Amino acid sequence: ETGVTQTPRHLVMGMTNKKSLKCEQHLGHNAMYWYKQSAKKPLELMFVYNFKEQTENNSVPSRFSPECPNSSHLFLHLHTLQPEDSALYLCASTTDRARNTEAFFGQGTRLTVV
Amino acid sequence: AQSVTQLGSHVSVSEGALVLLRCNYSSSVPPYLFWYVQYPNQGLQLLLKYTSAATLVKGINGFEAEFKKSETSFHLTKPSAHMSDAAEYFCAVNTGNQFYFGTGTSLTVIP
Repeated sequence: ETGVTQTPRHLVMGMTNKKSLKCEQHLGHNAMYWYKQSAKKPLELMFVYNFKEQTENNSVPSRFSPECPNSSHLFLHLHTLQPEDSALYLCASTTDRARNTEAFFGQGTRLTVV
Repeated sequence: AQSVTQLGSHVSVSEGALVLLRCNYSSSVPPYLFWYVQYPNQGLQLLLKYTSAATLVKGINGFEAEFKKSETSFHLTKPSAHMSDAAEYFCAVNTGNQFYFGTGTSLTVIP
């Protein structure tokens, strides 16, 4: 248990569906991240939020829409996804943006787009 | 720019043998380096981190890593592999804006 909880753990959705991924951290951290992990590829940073403000959008397609209502919660809204979006989506948090701080990861949501 | 490179996408060792996973970094400023482990269908778990306090860093599960500036390396070692060490291992550098991860090394432990 890392203090970062992601739901659901598994999700299968059609290309016309709309779904949301949820991340919650109980660590009092101020920065939260979405990463995409595809097979045989490095982890890809998608979005960064610091004190609820989005500070990074790593050229992510608009079919992925993040939301950070407070420092403890992070959502990733999904719509009209493509099969190549199937991956493990990881949420992470850090105390702040200092370089010596480690990231705490959730267990991920395994997304399959059919 | 900062980055890390992991040499060897797959490493196999016998149970009880030395584990050595390689990571080299590139950084124009003193780097802050991390090793993470990932078990199947799980998130990443911190093994250890280097933040300039000591060059030899001890982590969880008997792992350690040595920061060598002259070689720009931060290799992960464990004296004796256990079956439970089979997993994916990631080296990472934190720039403050984001973490840059290596491509990962899959460790197989042979009974």
